Amino acid sequence: GAGVSQSPSNKVTEKGKDVELRCDPISGHTALYWYRQSLGQGLEFLIYFQGNSAPDKSGLPSDRFSAERTGGSVSTLTIQRTQQEDSAVYLCASSLSVGRAHEQYFGPGTRLTVT
Amino acid sequence: ILNVEQSPQSLHVQEGDSTNFTCSFPSSNFYALHWYRWETAKSPEALFVMTLNGDEKKKGRISATLNTKEGYSYLYIKGSQPEDSATYLCALNNAGNNRKLIWGLGTSLAVNP
Repeated sequence: GAGVSQSPSNKVTEKGKDVELRCDPISGHTALYWYRQSLGQGLEFLIYFQGNSAPDKSGLPSDRFSAERTGGSVSTLTIQRTQQEDSAVYLCASSLSVGRAHEQYFGPGTRLTVT
Repeated sequence: ILNVEQSPQSLHVQEGDSTNFTCSFPSSNFYALHWYRWETAKSPEALFVMTLNGDEKKKGRISATLNTKEGYSYLYIKGSQPEDSATYLCALNNAGNNRKLIWGLGTSLAVNP
């Protein structure tokens, strides 16, 4: 079946502009995660959605970052007033349920470059 | 602050060599340990999820062991092939109330033909 998809695959934007990144999880997966990887860094957790529960936003680096998940499926990560330090690969992952031992399935990522 | 350490940071081996690397994590409140492979220009792909102390899992030439009491996991690759070249990440679920994975920085493996 279809895996996790993300769009766009690449985004170049000017400093100060807003950007929206989209994630389509695997159908039936109730958990959805956003991560980013900055150059030379490890995977950084941003936000986690699980079903209808309140999202865990503890990893969002600033109030310029927000995310929503509509209808328990597609998620959008929005970065307002982008800064150069926001340049990174943004990865989305989904997993089957709340079980901590369930593996996460990753999308191909969106490479964001802020000039 | 929970910290997951991986060593070595990078590794170069010749085709056919066997190799292993380490993931260290706090042993308290352990729930699960994940291993992922991340090839260049691709997405991270799950290899193993391990929950039991002493557990050993195998997928082809790759295997992993887990020691939750001392807080480490080893990943072994037998007879490395160039297609094994990737970054190998481990990530910890603890027994807290959240579902976040705490990620290590990875071991970058290069297998020379």
